Amino acid sequence: AQTVTQSQPEMSVQEAETVTLSCTYDTSESDYYLFWYKQPPSRQMILVIRQEAYKQQNATENRFSVNFQKAAKSFSLKISDSQLGDAAMYFCAYRRRIQGAQKLVFGQGTRLTINP
Amino acid sequence: KAGVTQTPRYLIKTRGQQVTLSCSPISGHRSVSWYQQTPGQGLQFLFEYFSETQRNKGNFPGRFSGRQFSNSRSEMNVSTLELGDSALYLCASSPWDSPTDTQYFGPGTRLTVL
Repeated sequence: AQTVTQSQPEMSVQEAETVTLSCTYDTSESDYYLFWYKQPPSRQMILVIRQEAYKQQNATENRFSVNFQKAAKSFSLKISDSQLGDAAMYFCAYRRRIQGAQKLVFGQGTRLTINP
Repeated sequence: KAGVTQTPRYLIKTRGQQVTLSCSPISGHRSVSWYQQTPGQGLQFLFEYFSETQRNKGNFPGRFSGRQFSNSRSEMNVSTLELGDSALYLCASSPWDSPTDTQYFGPGTRLTVL
């Protein structure tokens, strides 16, 4: 079974600075997807960024980028120029890359606080 | 396009009752998945439907059931409610059956069992 671990229950950062959230996962499969989802106080789960395991290039989305280390099974999220609106719970998630596999396996989450 | 909608947003029930939650996916989406979110257990997969068929089921007791209609709307039902069923129930939809699909989440239904 696949597992996802986020070792940082809480993180805080000053506005405009950079913060990195950690995630490790365990799987015996070679082809899969990794995701970072953001859940603000409204509880709406929002996709931040997605990484395909077969791609060596790290995904980026504006101020958000990942450091994907497949051999180490590590998938960290870097948020640059942090903004107050980035405050939320962040969840790392795994999904198999096969037909019909929609199940997401989530980590426990990291609560990110942005200090003005 | 309208996003994923879930009704009701909040629900209070007592132990032993049953409850039905509804999820309307994004127009054109055919896959709907359900998740339970609690402070202790985090986000756990309940089940997934595609074209009115349950394809995957998480490790939950038989009190948890669901179905999907021909218009892709989905309902989940919890019978004989227990205190531990208090949670945020999230549904997510995705377009097709492709491994490249991204799932989009609804705002959730907050269920409180007294």
